[in-house]
Amino acid sequence: GQQVMQIPQYQHVQEGEDFTTYCNSSTTLSNIQWYKQRPGGHPVFLIQLVKSGEVKKQKRLTFQFGEAKKNSSLHITATQTTDVGTYFCAGRGNFNKFYFGSGTKLNVKP
Amino acid sequence: EAGVVQSPRYKIIEKKQPVAFWCNPISGHNTLYWYLQNLGQGPELLIRYENEEAVDDSQLPKDRFSAERLKGVDSTLKIQPAELGDSAVYLCASRLAGQSGSGELFFGEGSRLTVL
Repeated sequence: GQQVMQIPQYQHVQEGEDFTTYCNSSTTLSNIQWYKQRPGGHPVFLIQLVKSGEVKKQKRLTFQFGEAKKNSSLHITATQTTDVGTYFCAGRGNFNKFYFGSGTKLNVKP
Repeated sequence: EAGVVQSPRYKIIEKKQPVAFWCNPISGHNTLYWYLQNLGQGPELLIRYENEEAVDDSQLPKDRFSAERLKGVDSTLKIQPAELGDSAVYLCASRLAGQSGSGELFFGEGSRLTVL
């Protein structure tokens, strides 16, 4: 079946360092979404990428969708303690089915 | 506007007991999802509704799990009997289908189940 793999599982950084998480799908996706889940909270939507090779920025966050629409990345520049949480990608397959990655848990040391 | 509402937030039961979770999606959202989230893992789809129709329940363990979405609005997920391995957070999400909006999933706060 369709799978979305996400790495790394954990990332510990010093405040001010950069952070990147990667997602890879076994099949071509129609789009990919990214979510952030704070400790004890629920996933909250960050962004959606639809086009092949698409790049979107939100302040210090940069999202990319691969040319083959099978991989994606989220890069955070100069992390802050408010970035702490788990970041999930969710690839959209056929119809309205979303396949979530296992998430990357980010810890930022002040 | 109210978000996705779930209850109860926490439930502790003994194994073999039944349990039910309730979800009220955002008004007008015709697509409703139930996800299971284990600690340190991503959400795993249990069932998806388009209005009142369950269009994808392939991951729902039908021997003990059941769900319904009467009238295509709120939904209930039931487990009977519960097993130790069912301890997890049960997340409900809704989505506005169609061309408008980004198609994002709006999640509720989740129902954390502990089976003793």
